[in-house]
Amino acid sequence: DAGVTQSPTHLIKTRGQQVTLRCSPKSGHDTVSWYQQALGQGPQFIFQYYEEEERQRGNFPDRFSGHQFPNYSSELNVNALLLGDSALYLCASSFLGAGSGYTFGSGTRLTVV
Amino acid sequence: AQTVTQSQPEMSVQEAETVTLSCTYDTSESDYYLFWYKQPPSRQMILVIRQEAYKQQNATENRFSVNFQKAAKSFSLKISDSQLGDAAMYFCAYRNRDRGSTLGRLYFGRGTQLTVWP
Repeated sequence: DAGVTQSPTHLIKTRGQQVTLRCSPKSGHDTVSWYQQALGQGPQFIFQYYEEEERQRGNFPDRFSGHQFPNYSSELNVNALLLGDSALYLCASSFLGAGSGYTFGSGTRLTVV
Repeated sequence: AQTVTQSQPEMSVQEAETVTLSCTYDTSESDYYLFWYKQPPSRQMILVIRQEAYKQQNATENRFSVNFQKAAKSFSLKISDSQLGDAAMYFCAYRNRDRGSTLGRLYFGRGTQLTVWP
C-alpha cells in the first residue's frame, strides 16, 4: 500500500521565481494538508484541501496557493519566492471522519538562493 | 489559538533505559486529539502514539506510553527499553475535532531531539 508520495525531493530556486510541489495521498485518503517546516522548528499548517476546495488556511500569505485534483492529488504553488521560504514542505493525507492521525510524506526540501 | 510547548530541546538516554519527553498545550476545546510523531533523518513524520481527549485511559503502543493529564493540559511520552532506532526528533501535536467538511488541523511543538547512547 503506497503511502504519501511527494515530488521533487529537493529543489533549488532563485528569489522571485515560482515553484510547484506535488503530492499523491495515501490510497483511500481524500484530504490533503500542506505544512512548512523551517529548520529547527515544528511544522506549520499552510492549508487543507478536500473535494478540490481549500477548506482551511493557516497564517500564510496569498503567495502560497494550492490545488486538489479529482484523483485527490495536490499541488502547492509558491510565487515570488523569498529567502525565508526555504524549508521542508510536508504533505499529509487523511480521510474525513477518521479522527485519526495524518500520514505524512517525506517532504520536499526547498532552498531559495 | 491552540499552542503546543515542548520545553526540552534535547534529551539523551542509554540503550535499554527509560526516558520521558514532556509536552504541554493550551486550548479552550474539550474534545480533541493529541499525538506524538517521530521524525528521523529520512524526514518522514511517523505516528508514534495517539490519545483522544475524552478517554481517561492513557494510550500505550508497545514500548511507548503516554501520561495524559487533561486538567493540567500535559501530555508526556515515555519510551521504555530504549533502542538505538528510537533516536530521532519527536514532535508533540494537537489536533482539533473535525467540523463538517473540515478536517482538524495539526498544531506542533518545536520538537525534542532524542539521542540514544549504546
